[in-house]
Amino acid sequence: AQSVTQLDSQVPVFEEAPVELRCNYSSSVSVYLFWYVQYPNQGLQLLLKYLSGSTLVKGINGFEAEFNKSQTSFHLRKPSVHISDTAEYFCAALNTGGFKTIFGAGTRLFVKA
Amino acid sequence: EAGVAQSPRYKIIEKRQSVAFWCNPISGHATLYWYQQILGQGPKLLIQFQNNGVVDDSQLPKDRFSAERLKGVDSTLKIQPAKLEDSAVYLCASSSTPGDYVGYTFGSGTRLTVV
Repeated sequence: AQSVTQLDSQVPVFEEAPVELRCNYSSSVSVYLFWYVQYPNQGLQLLLKYLSGSTLVKGINGFEAEFNKSQTSFHLRKPSVHISDTAEYFCAALNTGGFKTIFGAGTRLFVKA
Repeated sequence: EAGVAQSPRYKIIEKRQSVAFWCNPISGHATLYWYQQILGQGPKLLIQFQNNGVVDDSQLPKDRFSAERLKGVDSTLKIQPAKLEDSAVYLCASSSTPGDYVGYTFGSGTRLTVV
């Protein structure tokens, strides 16, 4: 069965510090992987996605993620965070050829001044 | 391009009452999804439509939840009767094709509180 695990429920970090939000997935077939961001009282917005090819993908707002097939991971990184990055981040997986995207439980990023 | 529209934004009802949520997807998007997001959890798919047909409703509590997309455009999700555990944000999303690997576009959601 397909599943997505976000290893940290909350990540506090100071402004301008680097951050990594961890995501592991489980699937018996190849997957597409996504990161979404949800600001307070808003819907989810796509940050970036991995479909194939280069394992390092870049998204909006300076975020990037690296696909690691051997470790079944897709960690999200940003070298220097801003207060405005405070939000909830969701990792998601879609089986190639499948129809259902599975979401992780989310990681709340809290950027402190 | 207009986004996914949802209404109402907030709703407070008493348990055992009924409630309905409305969603209008992005123009031309054939696939529409309803997700339930309970506080502290990731979104859980309730139902997926392809045009006006149901692709997946395996996690929809059919004894109390219903959804329709009669003309293959906008959709309504209904709960009757509501329970306390139905308190959640109900998110509507759309995509141009099922299993859309470009990702989904989400609406802002309807926050339901059942008291």
